[in-house]
Amino acid sequence: SQTIHQWPATLVQPVGSPLSLECTVEGTSNPNLYWYRQAAGRGLQLLFYSVGIGQISSEVPQNLSASRPQDRQFILSSKKLLLSDSGFYLCASRKDRPYGYTFGSGTRLTVV
Amino acid sequence: AQKVTQAQTEISVVEKEDVTLDCVYETRDTTYYLFWYKQPPSGELVFLIRRNSFDEQNEISGRYSWNFQKSTSSFNFTITASQVVDSAVYFCALSLNTGGFKTIFGAGTRLFVKA
Repeated sequence: SQTIHQWPATLVQPVGSPLSLECTVEGTSNPNLYWYRQAAGRGLQLLFYSVGIGQISSEVPQNLSASRPQDRQFILSSKKLLLSDSGFYLCASRKDRPYGYTFGSGTRLTVV
Repeated sequence: AQKVTQAQTEISVVEKEDVTLDCVYETRDTTYYLFWYKQPPSGELVFLIRRNSFDEQNEISGRYSWNFQKSTSSFNFTITASQVVDSAVYFCALSLNTGGFKTIFGAGTRLFVKA
């Protein structure tokens, strides 16, 4: 079965600072990978997804970017954080069949 | 466009009560997949069930049951004899067979089960 590692679990960053969140997947190869953000008390918003190395699709225009340098590595980045970037960031993985996602444990980001 | 609506923001029940979480979805595709996920206080989402658009059979798993009705575009989730450990946020979700199989989530329903 798949396991997703996300780190860090909690992060407090000042406005204008850079961001790098990493997600790695074990137990599968060539998965589809996804970054979601969950604002406080709200649902999940899809930010990016990737169907392969170097292939990134962005769902909403924003201050963030994503990269997939290796098959099982998915990185979420920002050059300058905004207050509105605060939230709970979840990485998810799925094979190319429409089975349920496997989620990581998430990173709680607070921009101050 | 695809959409998932969970009209119930919060539900509070007493232990052993039955509770139904509502989910209504919108899509023009004929092939799609519906899911329910549970998010306990720890934050990590846990997959509960998947249903494809061609299978309207209801499903029961222990205290959990799901009612899928294409005629009303609904995929409701019932917990029988609720327990305190059922307290969590529950998300209904919709996935299409295209576009990287991305999944659209509803806003979630927070369930409180009191002892």
